[in-house]
Amino acid sequence: AQKITQTQPGMFVQEKEAVTLDCTYDTSDQSYGLFWYKQPSSGEMIFLIYQGSYDEQNATEGRYSLNFQKARKSANLVISASQLGDSAMYFCAMREGRVTDKLIFGTGTRLQVFP
Amino acid sequence: DAGVTQSPTHLIKTRGQQVTLRCSPKSGHDTVSWYQQALGQGPQFIFQYYEEEERQRGNFPDRFSGHQFPNYSSELNVNALLLGDSALYLCASSLNRDRVNTEAFFGQGTRLTVV
Repeated sequence: AQKITQTQPGMFVQEKEAVTLDCTYDTSDQSYGLFWYKQPSSGEMIFLIYQGSYDEQNATEGRYSLNFQKARKSANLVISASQLGDSAMYFCAMREGRVTDKLIFGTGTRLQVFP
Repeated sequence: DAGVTQSPTHLIKTRGQQVTLRCSPKSGHDTVSWYQQALGQGPQFIFQYYEEEERQRGNFPDRFSGHQFPNYSSELNVNALLLGDSALYLCASSLNRDRVNTEAFFGQGTRLTVV
């Protein structure tokens, strides 16, 4: 069965430092997509970054980068130069195949950025 | 460009009642998915609508039903509410481009409390 595992319930980081949020996944499909979403206390899920299983290079979006290690089935999110506004819940998600939109989410990591 | 909008933002219902939640997709999107997020958990896929039909369904009972209208907006209906239905209900939209869905964008959610 498809599964996303986030083993860090909570993480702390000082402002302007980098932080890595861990994500491992399990799937038997060859074609899949990996996502990271940010969920502030308001509840909205904000799309951060996407990595396709056939993408050879790690995805980057501004201060966000995805450390994709296919053989280890890991897709860690790296946030560089943390800001106070980065404090939120972060969810890793997987989409199997390309046609369906069904996303399977992990349990999330609460990131707190302190001055 | 309007994003995904959901209404209402908050709702309190009594056990056994019925509820209808509404979602308008992001402009240009034609596919709508619904998710249930219990407190402290990641979102769980309920179902997805495309071309006014339910295309895929998660492990939710028949008490959960939906509808998609010609303008791509969608409704989620839950009958015979249980206390365990209390959760944040998220709507996500995407574009089905040549049977490949683009990344999903989420609304701010409807927080349902069943008492």
